[in-house]
Amino acid sequence: KQEVTQIPAALSVPEGENLVLNCSFTDSAIYNLQWFRQDPGKGLTSLLLIQSSQREQTSGRLNASLDKSSGRSTLYIAASQPGDSATYLCAVIEGSQGNLIFGKGTKLSVKP
Amino acid sequence: DAGVIQSPRHEVTEMGQEVTLRCKPISGHDYLFWYRQTMMRGLELLIYFNNNVPIDDSGMPEDRFSAKMPNASFSTLKIQPSEPRDSAVYFCASSSLRAGAYPNNEQFFGPGTRLTVL
Repeated sequence: KQEVTQIPAALSVPEGENLVLNCSFTDSAIYNLQWFRQDPGKGLTSLLLIQSSQREQTSGRLNASLDKSSGRSTLYIAASQPGDSATYLCAVIEGSQGNLIFGKGTKLSVKP
Repeated sequence: DAGVIQSPRHEVTEMGQEVTLRCKPISGHDYLFWYRQTMMRGLELLIYFNNNVPIDDSGMPEDRFSAKMPNASFSTLKIQPSEPRDSAVYFCASSSLRAGAYPNNEQFFGPGTRLTVL
């Protein structure tokens, strides 16, 4: 059974710092991996999707990498801002039409 | 497009009452998912549909839960009778596998329905 783990569970950094969020999964036979952001009391906003054939995706200050063989993905946030404060969720899909299997998330706090 | 629409946004009910949650997926999407989020268990899939047909309902916790998708633009999740342990945030998401129209099966989430069962 696929399990997704995110470390750390919480992270607090000063504004301007570059940071890395980690995601690991137990079964490397994934179809793709998706990173989300969730603000308190709100829904999920899709940040980046990496297909299994890709190594990384970039959007603005965000860069997500995928290493299927080792069962790992990282989300790199450059020059963090207080507005980046949120919970970041990693999720994998095992089949082309399957559901997302989520990690528990990393709660990020960026201090001004 | 307005994105995935869910109603109501908040629902407070008493134990034993019937609860119906509603979802309108993004137009043109052929997959619809229902997830539940709790502090203890995080986000978990309840059921998903493809072209209005239920594909996997293994995450539906009990017979008290049922979901329907009568057409491509509407789905309901019903809990009857509701219990306090059903209190959670319920999310609907939709996606499409059609290459070129959207990123391949990227899922888009609605704002969720926060359910409280007293």
